[in-house]
Amino acid sequence: DIQMTQSPASLSASLEEIVTITCQASQDIGNWLAWYQQKPGKSPQLLIYGATSLADGVPSRFSGSRSGTQYSLKISRLQVEDPGIYYCLQGYSATWTFGGGTKLELK
Amino acid sequence: QVNLQESGPGIVKPSQPLSVTCSVTGYSITTSYYYWNWIRKFSGNKLEWMGYISYDSSIYYNPSLKSRISITRDTSKNQFFLQLNTVTTEDTAVYYCARHLQLGYFDYWGQGVMVTVSS
Repeated sequence: DIQMTQSPASLSASLEEIVTITCQASQDIGNWLAWYQQKPGKSPQLLIYGATSLADGVPSRFSGSRSGTQYSLKISRLQVEDPGIYYCLQGYSATWTFGGGTKLELK
Repeated sequence: QVNLQESGPGIVKPSQPLSVTCSVTGYSITTSYYYWNWIRKFSGNKLEWMGYISYDSSIYYNPSLKSRISITRDTSKNQFFLQLNTVTTEDTAVYYCARHLQLGYFDYWGQGVMVTVSS
């Protein structure tokens, strides 16, 4: 299986702060990477797909990037509605695998 | 409007089978080229993809579950089903159904159903 190592596991940030979450893939997955946000009691919502493409309806403060086998999700100006758990997901192999999640809280 | 809704037993005894249903409305599960998945979330926030059944009824399971899992469907009711055999307390999780398009990602999810394995 392809392993996705996500960091940090938890993060506390202030409003308007820049936040970055990363995922390291255990092998080349090309751009087969998505980011999801999950809020308590809700199902995960797609934010970014294809490593860098913004999903429909997602605010432009969210962006994705890739450097080799490292992928990043950036929130340019943290808003009050952004806390939750963020996951990366690789879709390169037939067996999908998620990162371990990052719990984002407001400071 | 695509809607997925899970239903399940709530509590299952160890060594018994776990069965969960996903009812889909607003979209046919036989529409090309969509895949219908089961994903679960453990306490501690780990997500695990379990397997899928496709629009043309092909099936693929996570190898870590292959000996215990079965995914089937009833096209007349637009439902698909998860059965996980010989469960242990480690199978306690929230079970989600979700859709993905070929070469795409999970775009629609159900709200999830909590299943606890306990005697």
